[in-house]
Amino acid sequence: GAVVSQHPSWVICKSGTSVKIECRSLDFQATTMFWYRQFPKQSLMLMATSNEGSKATYEQGVEKDKFLINHASLTLSTLTVTSAHPEDSSFYICSAHSGGRAEAFFGQGTRLTVV
Amino acid sequence: AQSVSQHNHHVILSEAASLELGCNYSYGGTVNLFWYVQYPGQHLQLLLKYFSGDPLVKGIKGFEAEFIKSKFSFNLRKPSVQWSDTAEYFCAGGPGGGADGLTFGKGTHLIIQP
Repeated sequence: GAVVSQHPSWVICKSGTSVKIECRSLDFQATTMFWYRQFPKQSLMLMATSNEGSKATYEQGVEKDKFLINHASLTLSTLTVTSAHPEDSSFYICSAHSGGRAEAFFGQGTRLTVV
Repeated sequence: AQSVSQHNHHVILSEAASLELGCNYSYGGTVNLFWYVQYPGQHLQLLLKYFSGDPLVKGIKGFEAEFIKSKFSFNLRKPSVQWSDTAEYFCAGGPGGGADGLTFGKGTHLIIQP
């Protein structure tokens, strides 16, 4: 149980376009999901907290207009990278908590490359 | 500010050697601590966690960690490593008492030589 799935696993897009990444909790409901970003050979950095039915909470330094988060249902959160640039190339990972537990379950991540 | 630091970025060991990966945290209040492992091409998986109680926690695959409050540490240990333990290991912390986003250490790349 407690499986989190991300789609797509990897994506290549042209500079200036937008890319949507989906994060789904497959066997549990998640009122809160989290989006992380991981640069090569670096750690995961929390970008934002996605709250079902309300606005996301962004960490300091993360542009909310660039990284649009929508949490329309208890099993789906989406991250849209708008007007992507090469510096947005990174590994994006989502996580969710099951049943209010502090343990987080992670998606497999999405490798975004902007050319 | 909350932070998690891992001392070793790259560790190379031979099979059957003992392992200890360092992790220190800095939090204002109570803290939940975790060790995650990421095998090549796979999801992050939880190895073990500490919320409260017995400071020595045992996880999967023979791993254990000890929460030492006085040292703000949560080091990961395994008495005898295997080749299959080759992976990236992340220490992470979050505020105690709830489900919140985590602060991760930079990770330790562990290579086990057969």
